[in-house]
Amino acid sequence: SAVISQKPSRDICQRGTSLTIQCQVDSQVTMMFWYRQQPGQSLTLIATANQGSEATYESGFVIDKFPISRPNLTFSTLTVSNMSPEDSSIYLCSVLTGGIETQYFGPGTRLLVL
Amino acid sequence: DAKTTQPTSMDCAEGRAANLPCNHSTISGNEYVYWYRQIHSQGPQYIIHGLKNNETNEMASLIITEDRKSSTLILPHATLRDTAVYYCIVRPYTSGTYKYIFGTGTRLKVLA
Repeated sequence: SAVISQKPSRDICQRGTSLTIQCQVDSQVTMMFWYRQQPGQSLTLIATANQGSEATYESGFVIDKFPISRPNLTFSTLTVSNMSPEDSSIYLCSVLTGGIETQYFGPGTRLLVL
Repeated sequence: DAKTTQPTSMDCAEGRAANLPCNHSTISGNEYVYWYRQIHSQGPQYIIHGLKNNETNEMASLIITEDRKSSTLILPHATLRDTAVYYCIVRPYTSGTYKYIFGTGTRLKVLA
């Protein structure tokens, strides 16, 4: 498995601002993903972070709202833009290791938008 | 939509085996069954996965029916720390199709 860290672990933000969440892995991985978990709900895939190219977004998620970067094989960022209270969620990154093809998840970032 | 259905919640006495069922009646021949758990809003933790045969590791056992339409995750000796939401996921093993679709999971409560 991989060791995954996320920064910040939690934050409280004001409506209309943006927050960038970082995901760092301790080894090179083939794929990285970003998920959202709204209060009391299950996880929903936002996008696949592609190294060196634009992220692949799932239905209902757009780049203008959730821009993603992946400059190398161990790091990715997710920005939540122009936040509203409806964006209050846990945001999780996950990685896919090449050999086993199993996803491993980071600890999550807990976001509260006021 | 998720391709699995699980009971919403279950209770288990500490020290007893916890048997968590999952229905995946529309599973295809090229799809794995994965199990994860999420403890108190932490990131989901990988438990086990399988394709056709039963699997066992240090955390749990996975029993898949012969027709592969359902499976059971077994925690042999549940402890209070096993209280969590358990997710059953099916995923194709074809390279390039790594998307997970999470259902609502089963909230397991281990009772002292």
